[in-house]
Amino acid sequence: NAGVMQNPRHLVRRRGQEARLRCSPMKGHSHVYWYRQLPEEGLKFMVYLQKENIIDESGMPKERFSAEFPKEGPSILRIQQVVRGDSAAYFCASSPPGGANEKLFFGSGTQLSVL
Amino acid sequence: SQELEQSPQSLIVQEGKNLTINCTSSKTLYGLYWYKQKYGEGLIFLMMLQKGGEEKSHEKITAKLDEKKQQSSLHITASQPSHAGIYLCGAPKRGAQKLVFGQGTRLTINP
Repeated sequence: NAGVMQNPRHLVRRRGQEARLRCSPMKGHSHVYWYRQLPEEGLKFMVYLQKENIIDESGMPKERFSAEFPKEGPSILRIQQVVRGDSAAYFCASSPPGGANEKLFFGSGTQLSVL
Repeated sequence: SQELEQSPQSLIVQEGKNLTINCTSSKTLYGLYWYKQKYGEGLIFLMMLQKGGEEKSHEKITAKLDEKKQQSSLHITASQPSHAGIYLCGAPKRGAQKLVFGQGTRLTINP
């Protein structure tokens, strides 16, 4: 049973470009969470999704950021018109149907660097 | 909103020594998770504590949950270089399906 898969591991973008980060949850997991980790800081919650639904996006910036978890395929975190301050490690986690009352399994993250 | 504060923020210990990391919540804890992160990698689950007074051990790592103090501690006995990394505590936020995390404790083990 493969773990949570994130790709790419590293992503370099120039200011103004778009960044797309992908996350495939563990088999059987229907809940996906995205977190952001800035250098020397802890993990900050961004968004929580179930298949085809955004449940909680309270941690996601209102502009330029969007997330989806379609019926088929991976969850996507999309950042439009990236700025230098978007440079961070973005982690995806998944859990079985119990949500955050169950253990979260984390991917290895995508390191986004904005030039 | 619930906040988790970890102490110390960083810790350097000699190999073989014992150490403790604390995680204190600003609100009632309804469970507590400990994760470990190696540089540039994702989080590895260590332990989940669900009841006040609960204590769990895995190899040389022991975690306890003190519900009254709204605190959890992680204790490592006879530390080894493999214990080096960043330790994060996380707690489910009541009424919301998500974990909030502390800022992490960076542990360095000197040979």
